[in-house]
Amino acid sequence: QSALTQPRSVSGSPGQSVTISCTGTSSDVGGYNYVSWYQQHPGKAPKLMIYDVSKRPSGVPDRFSGSKSGNTASLTISGLQAEDEADYYCCSYAGSWVFGGGTKLTVL
Amino acid sequence: EVQLVQSGAEVKKPGESLKISCKGSGYSFTSYWIGWVRQMPGKGLEWMGIIYPGDSDTRYSPSFQGQVTISADKSISTAYLQWSSLKASDTAMYYCARRLYSSGWYFFDYWGQGTLVTVSS
Repeated sequence: QSALTQPRSVSGSPGQSVTISCTGTSSDVGGYNYVSWYQQHPGKAPKLMIYDVSKRPSGVPDRFSGSKSGNTASLTISGLQAEDEADYYCCSYAGSWVFGGGTKLTVL
Repeated sequence: EVQLVQSGAEVKKPGESLKISCKGSGYSFTSYWIGWVRQMPGKGLEWMGIIYPGDSDTRYSPSFQGQVTISADKSISTAYLQWSSLKASDTAMYYCARRLYSSGWYFFDYWGQGTLVTVSS
């Protein structure tokens, strides 16, 4: 399995919305509703933000939302805050797990 | 409180062996799989493999099959990742993470703090 494709970086100003895409194939992202998203701050462990494409774990702000269309999943962060600046990784299950290459979110 | 506590940083020479650990607490250890994820310096996350401690059913990513061994001891709620002969390219942060032992649950909800492995002559 090849890594899922994410933009290397995205940016936005506080209060704005940003969307991070995650493109796979019909064998992973497109074939299963098992896309998850993880946030990783520098020097920290990843943290689950979204699972099953669009579900939020308890404690994750509703500013974070997920969706999927075809072979591309998306993470949208609305009302950007300074603490959202981090790396974000998508992950898809397709018999095994494959991660995206990661996207660095900069809050301007 | 759910915790996955990993063993400390290691500095090893090429060719040496190593076994790092991940101890679960605050939950039923045999109700979850434990997965291992590699993060090379400045790079992204890579899934290595996963084990169900209840019966030691283990699955490996093709990229890591034969390169590492994943094991678990349910009596002490601990999973392991081991190498028989380290290479410089094994230098990375290694994370463990848990996944519910149930079909339809294909995400990792809690992660260990990571173990930094440095392999250098």
